[in-house]
Amino acid sequence: EAGVTQFPSHSVIEKGQTVTLRCDPISGHDNLYWYRRVMGKEIKFLLHFVKESKQDESGMPNNRFLAERTGGTYSTLKVQPAELEDSGVYFCASSPLGTYYGYTFGSGTRLTVV
Amino acid sequence: RKEVEQDPGPFNVPEGATVAFNCTYSNSASQSFFWYRQDCRKEPKLLMSVYSSGNEDGRFTAQLNRASQYISLLIRDSKLSDSATYLCVVNSGGGADGLTFGKGTHLIIQP
Repeated sequence: EAGVTQFPSHSVIEKGQTVTLRCDPISGHDNLYWYRRVMGKEIKFLLHFVKESKQDESGMPNNRFLAERTGGTYSTLKVQPAELEDSGVYFCASSPLGTYYGYTFGSGTRLTVV
Repeated sequence: RKEVEQDPGPFNVPEGATVAFNCTYSNSASQSFFWYRQDCRKEPKLLMSVYSSGNEDGRFTAQLNRASQYISLLIRDSKLSDSATYLCVVNSGGGADGLTFGKGTHLIIQP
């Protein structure tokens, strides 16, 4: 079974540019989550999709971040315009509907804004 | 006060020793508890869930004290491969809400 796949694995962009991160969850997993780890801080929840609907986006830092999950399959997280403090590792995780354990994380996208 | 607090370490422990980590959580409504393991520059991976009655998985034992809002992880007969960061994680809601992570405890097993 393929795991959670994230692309790209690394991205270096200049302040003010736009970056789009992609996450492909495990097939059949309706729950999809985005998390972020900023250097020196703990991993923080960003948002949660159930299929194509945003269940909880309370962790999104501001309106420069836009997440979508068209058709309830893969998800994208766009940062526009990027700021220096957006640097960090962005993790995606998925789980089957109805479970609240056993999240499977992707290997993350390391974003550096310079 | 942080939602999930852990001693960051590092804990330097000789191979074969027993080591224990603790964490505390602030939300008394928390319902699910986990230990995740994260290797350097890798994603977090679920090590074990933590149940009220305590649970064991091989060399690993997890305990939960709801009254004190305290979670522990014990590793017996530590191996070099146990070197990693151990994340205390709490799910504060029912269903599939987001997880709240501690900053992690860094463990180094020395030969």
